[in-house]
Amino acid sequence: EAQVTQNPRYLITVTGKKLTVTCSQNMNHEYMSWYRQDPGLGLRQIYYSMNVEVTDKGDVPEGYKVSRKEKRNFPLILESPSPNQTSLYFCASSGVRAGVPDTQYFGPGTRLTVL
Amino acid sequence: GENVEQHPSTLSVQEGDSAVIKCTYSDSASNYFPWYKQELGKRPQLIIDIRSNVGEKKDQRIAVTLNKTAKHFSLHITETQPEDSAVYFCAASALLGYSTLTFGKGTMLLVSP
Repeated sequence: EAQVTQNPRYLITVTGKKLTVTCSQNMNHEYMSWYRQDPGLGLRQIYYSMNVEVTDKGDVPEGYKVSRKEKRNFPLILESPSPNQTSLYFCASSGVRAGVPDTQYFGPGTRLTVL
Repeated sequence: GENVEQHPSTLSVQEGDSAVIKCTYSDSASNYFPWYKQELGKRPQLIIDIRSNVGEKKDQRIAVTLNKTAKHFSLHITETQPEDSAVYFCAASALLGYSTLTFGKGTMLLVSP
């Protein structure tokens, strides 16, 4: 089954404790991305990657890191989480068809609470 | 960067009515405009998209129109049903170089039986 998976689905942590949210896709997609969703603000892009070892900042990258060492995985790293990073996080992936993006598939989401 | 404005923020209709959600964008280089539906507690899912070489696209009860001159695009849902109740997001992206995908803030659509 074609899918995007994220782990963990729920996480409660404390300020300053490093954490990683994993994202994996089994569709051989070139493009992967991380978003955060906050009430009244919609979905905001954190980082995206067009292929292995190619990453770039989205609209709200501060406080986050990513890596793309393998095509299928795109982990999101919070080196020193703060309460303002409490949010619902979505990973997404898509292929590129004839040079243009195809449908973007979202993972199930990770609800993060930073105390 | 791109800025996407979406209106209205909430929309209540009676079952069978039509619903229209409008978005404007700021970057004239944007040429890919997807619409996503997010049901409560679920992930966003693509329902329809349009690219700048077409002005309108239809899929059963859903249609999207694009006016590149005015930099706005709209989602039209006809014969609404209670299962259409959800939050709808528009987005815009410039395909060249695959830049960021910028979302609107969402419209909560409530369809009453």
